[in-house]
This record gives sequence, C-alpha cells and structure tokens, in this order.
Amino acid sequence: KAGVTQTPRYLIKTRGQQVTLSCSPISGHRSVSWYQQTPGQGLQFLFEYFSETQRNKGNFPGRFSGRQFSNSRSEMNVSTLELGDSALYLCASSLEASGRETQYFGPGTRLLVL
Amino acid sequence: AQSVTQLDSHVSVSEGTPVLLRCNYSSSYSPSLFWYVQHPNKGLQLLLKYTSAATLVKGINGFEAEFKKSETSFHLTKPSAHMSDAAEYFCVLNSNSGYALNFGKGTSLLVTP
Repeated sequence: KAGVTQTPRYLIKTRGQQVTLSCSPISGHRSVSWYQQTPGQGLQFLFEYFSETQRNKGNFPGRFSGRQFSNSRSEMNVSTLELGDSALYLCASSLEASGRETQYFGPGTRLLVL
Repeated sequence: AQSVTQLDSHVSVSEGTPVLLRCNYSSSYSPSLFWYVQHPNKGLQLLLKYTSAATLVKGINGFEAEFKKSETSFHLTKPSAHMSDAAEYFCVLNSNSGYALNFGKGTSLLVTP
C-alpha cells in the first residue's frame, strides 16, 4: 500500500498570504490528523477529521482551518500568514475512530513564511 | 491532564553499545503509548506501540520498550546501537479521551563510531 502523501513538499510564502496544504491518507484510512512541528514548540496537534467531520481541534487560532473530502483526502488552510507559521506540517492517517489506533505519518510540507 | 515527558533532550552512545531513551507519562486513562523516530528532513516512523497487551513491546530495528504502570514509564531500549539509529525519537501518548497525540519534546540520539 502506498503511504501517506503530502503536497507540496516545500512552500515559500510571504506574510499576509494564504496557503493550502494537501494530504492523501493510506487507502482505507478514514481518519486524518494534522500536526505542526517547530523547533520551539515541538509537535502540536492541529485538528483531526473523520468521515468529513472535524472531531477534535488543537489550540490554534481560527486562521488555521481544514476539511476532509468524501475520499478521505484532507486539506488544511492557513490564512493571513505570519512569520511564526513557518514550520513542518505533518499529516497522519489511521484506520478507524479509536484513539488507540496507530497513526501513520506523511513526509510533511515545509512552509517558510518570509 | 495527559502529558509525556522525555527525560533527556540529547543522548550520545558509541556504536555497538546499548541505547536507553527515557519517557515518563501522566494519564488519567489507560494509555496507549508509542515511540516514533524522525530522521532528518523526514516524517515520523512508528517504532512500536503499547495498547494494554503485553507490557514488553518489541518494535522494528531491534528496539523494544517496557510499560511500567507503577513507575508511569515507557523507556525505549536497544541492545546495540547502529550508526543508522542516529535520529530524533519521540515518546507519544494517546489517551482514550480524544484522538490527538501528545508528543514529548523529543530525544536526539547521537551515535559515534
């Protein structure tokens, strides 16, 4: 099976712009989660989607949003970019709804905000 | 509240010597615990997981971890380090209360020849 894929792998944006990142989960996986990784804050949970519904959201401002499509692919959007949004954004997928499920991670999208 | 603490931010070992990466957790629920590894400029790879079955969990690449409820610990070990083990290691907690993973701050493992 193909793993979790994320596009694009690298992005450079300027402050005030918006950006959309895409994630394709492992075939058959219905849960998709997003995480932000920075040197200062480490890995932080953004949100989780299951069957097109956001079930859980981390402590991030409303500029961070996401959605999931009927084929389980997910996108996250960041509006009005700030310098502090520079980070590695990781997507993870899992099979079912259980919190005990293993989450499988994609390679990430590295976003640089100038 | 659920949290995980990795006790060492950096660990350095010589090739061929044992590896010990320490992790303590706090959870009001019966926890699921994971160890992930991240090589430079890569995503996260699962090494092993504990979900209330056997307390000694064997993972990939010769790693194993032991769940000790009395000590609230889940330390990662490997008998003999290899140069390719050099990476960042994350201890992760996933409680029943939600679907978010709680990550430790990470331990950077350096393996010297």
